[in-house]
Amino acid sequence: QVQLVESGGRVVQPGRSLRLSCAASGFTFEKTVMHWVRQAPGKGLEWVAVISYYDGSNKYFADSVKGRFTISRDNSKNTVYLQMNSLRPEDTAVYYCAKDSGLPADHFDHWGQGTLVTVSS
Amino acid sequence: SYELTQSPSVSVSPGQTASITCSGDKLEKKYVSWYQQKPGRSPVVVIFQDSKRPSGIPERFSGSNSGNTATLTISGTQAMDEADYYCQAWDTSSSVVFGGGTKLTVL
Repeated sequence: QVQLVESGGRVVQPGRSLRLSCAASGFTFEKTVMHWVRQAPGKGLEWVAVISYYDGSNKYFADSVKGRFTISRDNSKNTVYLQMNSLRPEDTAVYYCAKDSGLPADHFDHWGQGTLVTVSS
Repeated sequence: SYELTQSPSVSVSPGQTASITCSGDKLEKKYVSWYQQKPGRSPVVVIFQDSKRPSGIPERFSGSNSGNTATLTISGTQAMDEADYYCQAWDTSSSVVFGGGTKLTVL
């Protein structure tokens, strides 16, 4: 069965960096597009980033994180990462990794349990 | 950038039909998916490609998409359906957008 397990969330000061990880299992990871989605406390879902399959050469970001966050993958470890730099209080959220369904412009068919990032001094 | 608009809340009596809408410019040109999220839980897809149900999702969940509005319909709503519901579509080939979410109350 598909499993996505995020880790790395913690309390971090504004301006600092943090890297989140998402370990995947139960599917052919290298052939799968992967996303990060976040949810601020009491707020809705916000798409953050996507990385293409295989070599991950195509990466796209929400305007709110462009230039500060980057996404990468290690197919040998079945893991996708979110590197977050220059963190701001408004980046405080639960961060989910999500598996793309593989259908063009379609949905996320599995989600992890999320990891909480709190940006505060 | 593209926006999806949802009503903040919808109330329904048990056994009745709940309709949750999602509006966006020329939304019918895009595939719309719907996610259910219960408190403290991760989202779960209940409808994809406008009207398809993943395996394991009850038949009482259905979807449609026409013009500028997509609709999630829950027939014979049960107490367990009380949750937040989010619509989702792709803005371009490289970015995704979610609606603001609708809190469904079953009372």
